[in-house]
Amino acid sequence: NAGVTQTPKFRILKIGQSMTLQCTQDMNHNYMYWYRQDPGMGLKLIYYSVGAGITDKGEVPNGYNVSRSTTEDFPLRLELAAPSQTSVYFCASSYAGVSGANVLTFGAGSRLTVL
Amino acid sequence: AQKVTQAQTEISVVEKEDVTLDCVYETRDTTYYLFWYKQPPSGELVFLIRRNSFDEQNEISGRYSWNFQKSTSSFNFTITASQVVDSAVYFCALSNFGNEKLTFGTGTRLTIIP
Repeated sequence: NAGVTQTPKFRILKIGQSMTLQCTQDMNHNYMYWYRQDPGMGLKLIYYSVGAGITDKGEVPNGYNVSRSTTEDFPLRLELAAPSQTSVYFCASSYAGVSGANVLTFGAGSRLTVL
Repeated sequence: AQKVTQAQTEISVVEKEDVTLDCVYETRDTTYYLFWYKQPPSGELVFLIRRNSFDEQNEISGRYSWNFQKSTSSFNFTITASQVVDSAVYFCALSNFGNEKLTFGTGTRLTIIP
């Protein structure tokens, strides 16, 4: 069982470039999340999805877009990358959502640097 | 609004000592859930425990124990007889019933000195 798989693990972008962080899970989880982790700041929710075709904003959605066309995949798109988006990004999933105390399974993280 | 405070940014203890990581939370909801996650140097986040607001029983799992006190809005984590493998960043987190936002504290970096 692979769990939650994120690609790429590392990426360096130039200001203004765009890219997509990929996330896929093989646990048939309905809920998927994207968080960013900045040094000393904990994790902040960017976007989440409660099922295929449904997405919603989290705390810090500006500069990002998501889509959820299948249960398994939840890509995060960065348009016009900015230095403020330098961070470690985590994808996570759960069967029925943290609102019902469900535990998140996290991917290994993607470290993004924007120069 | 919900908030989680982990006032201890970094803690270092000598191996075999006991250590307590503090977590204080704020929420207006009566139904909520508390979590602890561990982030070892490899970077992934690992679930340790969850507790709902109606269950104030303390829990022990091997060398780990958790003390949940609603009166002080705290959910503290104690490691007994610490080991080098316990070195990690530990996050406390809070979610409210019906809300998909999981609020994390800023984490406590624990270093166990051999």
